[in-house]
Amino acid sequence: GAVVSQHPSWVICKSGTSVKIECRSLDFQATTMFWYRQFPKQSLMLMATSNEGSKATYEQGVEKDKFLINHASLTLSTLTVTSAHPEDSSFYICSAPSGQGRNEQFFGPGTRLTVL
Amino acid sequence: GENVEQHPSTLSVQEGDSAVIKCTYSDSASNYFPWYKQELGKRPQLIIDIRSNVGEKKDQRIAVTLNKTAKHFSLHITETQPEDSAVYFCAASTQAGKSTFGDGTTLTVKP
Repeated sequence: GAVVSQHPSWVICKSGTSVKIECRSLDFQATTMFWYRQFPKQSLMLMATSNEGSKATYEQGVEKDKFLINHASLTLSTLTVTSAHPEDSSFYICSAPSGQGRNEQFFGPGTRLTVL
Repeated sequence: GENVEQHPSTLSVQEGDSAVIKCTYSDSASNYFPWYKQELGKRPQLIIDIRSNVGEKKDQRIAVTLNKTAKHFSLHITETQPEDSAVYFCAASTQAGKSTFGDGTTLTVKP
């Protein structure tokens, strides 16, 4: 099956700094990728849809200036958490659709962000 | 937007018993309904899925049913085993691949 990777797998940063998370489709091209956030013992909440070659589409309540998304190529999307605060500490997961008219999503392994 | 409700939030069964988790969705445009198993700190793992043109699908001990009219879909696990213990999420997805997840069910299978 298709493989999606994320880097880093975990990161600890100081409050006020920015953190970049990469999501790569390793053996297929993804014109669209999705970014989710999951707080402890909660569900996955869609943050935004990353579109190759165009602006990301953000879900209601997600600050686009705080969560910068760049879909630079058909295999790479990045999420940058700017001016991170402790409340941004969460598990961030990306996914990419399998394409070819199918709905199946391939998830990355997730990135655990801890903001001190 | 889409709204997915999942019940129960916790479920405890004896090994060998069946477990049923139910979800409802609101957007009639949703046409793909996956079920995921997630272990702590890991990515969701697809265990079974169903598309809107199918009413039921089975894979060994796992089955999913879909009632499009009522906008209900359910996960059935038979002959549960301790290793089935995990958090299970349902989701409703549109053609574009955008998924809305239920709140999750923590399943505990007691030996």
